Amino acid sequence: EAGVVQSPRYKIIEKKQPVAFWCNPISGHNTLYWYLQNLGQGPELLIRYENEEAVDDSQLPKDRFSAERLKGVDSTLKIQPAELGDSAVYLCASSLGREASVETQYFGPGTRLLVL
Amino acid sequence: GQNIDQPTEMTATEGAIVQINCTYQTSGFNGLFWYQQHAGEAPTFLSYNVLDGLEEKGRFSSFLSRSKGYSYLLLKELQMKDSASYLCAVTDSNYQLIWGAGTKLIIKP
Repeated sequence: EAGVVQSPRYKIIEKKQPVAFWCNPISGHNTLYWYLQNLGQGPELLIRYENEEAVDDSQLPKDRFSAERLKGVDSTLKIQPAELGDSAVYLCASSLGREASVETQYFGPGTRLLVL
Repeated sequence: GQNIDQPTEMTATEGAIVQINCTYQTSGFNGLFWYQQHAGEAPTFLSYNVLDGLEEKGRFSSFLSRSKGYSYLLLKELQMKDSASYLCAVTDSNYQLIWGAGTKLIIKP
């Protein structure tokens, strides 16, 4: 069974430029998460989807970040315009999506973003 | 507020045993996860505890005390490949996962 797929793996851009990350979750997983991880820190949740609905986007900086999961499968996270402080690893994770239950999250390899 | 504490870095010797501690203060508790993350890679699931006691899985064991807000991950017969960061994460009353900053474990020959 394929794991969570993310692309690109690495991205270098200049500040003020836009950037987009793509994620394809494990087949059959209804819940999808986007995290940001800085070096030496734990993952920080940006947004969580249940199928195509964003059910928790309270930590997403909506002035520059946007996300979509139009058909409830793969998802795109966008930053426009990027700032120097956005340099980090962007992780995508998925889980089965059973309501009000504890679920193991499975992570993709991440996209390492460097903003110059 | 919600808080998870774990040591920033630990060093151990190949073949030895190491215990990585995690203490937490969260709004409710629905279980605690340990994940392993090698440098430049994704976190991978190691263990889940929701009841008090020790869960053993090969060379790795995880312990939980809910009354003390405390868990530890025990790694036996350390191998060089165990060099990684170990992340503690707690599921709160809203089933949100709260992450610690991780413990970087360095294994020396």
